Amino acid sequence: AQSVTQPDIHITVSEGASLELRCNYSYGATPYLFWYVQSPGQGLQLLLKYFSGDTLVQGIKGFEAEFKRSQSSFNLRKPSVHWSDAAEYFCAVGPLQGFQKLVFGTGTRLLVSP
Amino acid sequence: NAGVTQTPKFQVLKTGQSMTLQCAQDMNHNSMYWYRQDPGMGLRLIYYSASEGTTDKGEVPNGYNVSRLNKREFSLRLESAAPSQTSVYFCASSEEGYSLNEKLFFGSGTQLSVL
Repeated sequence: AQSVTQPDIHITVSEGASLELRCNYSYGATPYLFWYVQSPGQGLQLLLKYFSGDTLVQGIKGFEAEFKRSQSSFNLRKPSVHWSDAAEYFCAVGPLQGFQKLVFGTGTRLLVSP
Repeated sequence: NAGVTQTPKFQVLKTGQSMTLQCAQDMNHNSMYWYRQDPGMGLRLIYYSASEGTTDKGEVPNGYNVSRLNKREFSLRLESAAPSQTSVYFCASSEEGYSLNEKLFFGSGTQLSVL
């Protein structure tokens, strides 16, 4: 069965510092990978997605993620964090074919300190 | 643009009561979904509707029913609420559900407490 693991429940980063959020997945075939962000009191918004091609994908708000098949990972990065990036981040995996029933990770809450 | 609208935003129920969560999207999307979000468990799919007139079970369907009333609306019903159904419920939609270019559009959620 497919699963997604986000090992960090909370992460605190200073404003201006770099960020890396970890995501590992278990999937029987080539996966379709996503990062979503949830701001307080809001629904989720797509940051970026990957299903083929260049393993480094760019998303909105200056985020990027790198797919590493050998490590079954899809980590999210940002070179310089802004206070407005404080939110909860969810990694998700889905099938390349068929209906897009996504499996979400448990989320990582990002806190940004001044 | 309204996007995906959920009502109500907050609800408190007593055990055994019933209620329906409403969801409507104005993007002419074919596919709609209901998720629940619980601390430490991420989002779990309850039911989805790939297209108007069809509904299917997701990962955690027990205790819920759904209705795809028309292309715009997808409701979630709790017939006899239980404390285990205390959660935040999210409705989402996507254009088709089968395309690699899909993305989900989420509503702002319904906070449900069952006492």
